[in-house]
Amino acid sequence: DAKTTQPNSMESNEEEPVHLPCNHSTISGTDYIHWYRQLPSQGPEYVIHGLTSNVNNRMASLAIAEDRKSSTLILHRATLRDAAVYYCILRDTGNQFYFGTGTSLTVIP
Amino acid sequence: NAGVTQTPKFQVLKTGQSMTLQCAQDMNHEYMSWYRQDPGMGLRLIHYSVGAGITDQGEVPNGYNVSRSTTEDFPLRLLSAAPSQTSVYFCASSRLPPYSNQPQHFGDGTRLSIL
Repeated sequence: DAKTTQPNSMESNEEEPVHLPCNHSTISGTDYIHWYRQLPSQGPEYVIHGLTSNVNNRMASLAIAEDRKSSTLILHRATLRDAAVYYCILRDTGNQFYFGTGTSLTVIP
Repeated sequence: NAGVTQTPKFQVLKTGQSMTLQCAQDMNHEYMSWYRQDPGMGLRLIHYSVGAGITDQGEVPNGYNVSRSTTEDFPLRLLSAAPSQTSVYFCASSRLPPYSNQPQHFGDGTRLSIL
């Protein structure tokens, strides 16, 4: 049952880096780690995903622990537009995509 | 570049009424899903489809029906609306299953209230 554990909320000052942690101690060897975010009153938006190596794209970086039991989403310079709920997602039993409750990120001007 | 289009955006129903939430995608994606999101909660999977003619149940399927007659469309039917179905409904599509290395694309949601 590959569920994830994330802090309920985090705060960051604008233009500072943000590190959003996720624990997934029951991850299987072939499961991708996905991150989505949801801005207020919008549908979820894909952020990044990875398998074993650290990943970078224009939105964020994903650092994956060597044992794959945890990962960290890194926003390099938080802006007010990054205020959202961030979901770390794995495949659940029965091949479902389990969202959980995510981390609500507040960006302070 | 429409992506995933959901209609209507808002709907109010009375208990016992039926309705269909529409979802269409123009990306030729095989995999489509319906989620519901209750206040303060994450998304929960209702039904999903891996291609035209193939559907399956997710975590919370009771009270909902789906069909997939074309690749583009994946409607969600409420058979007899109940207040417990008051929620925001999201449709999503992807080229491969969402747990693979392909991202899901989400619609803007349908906000449904059952009185």
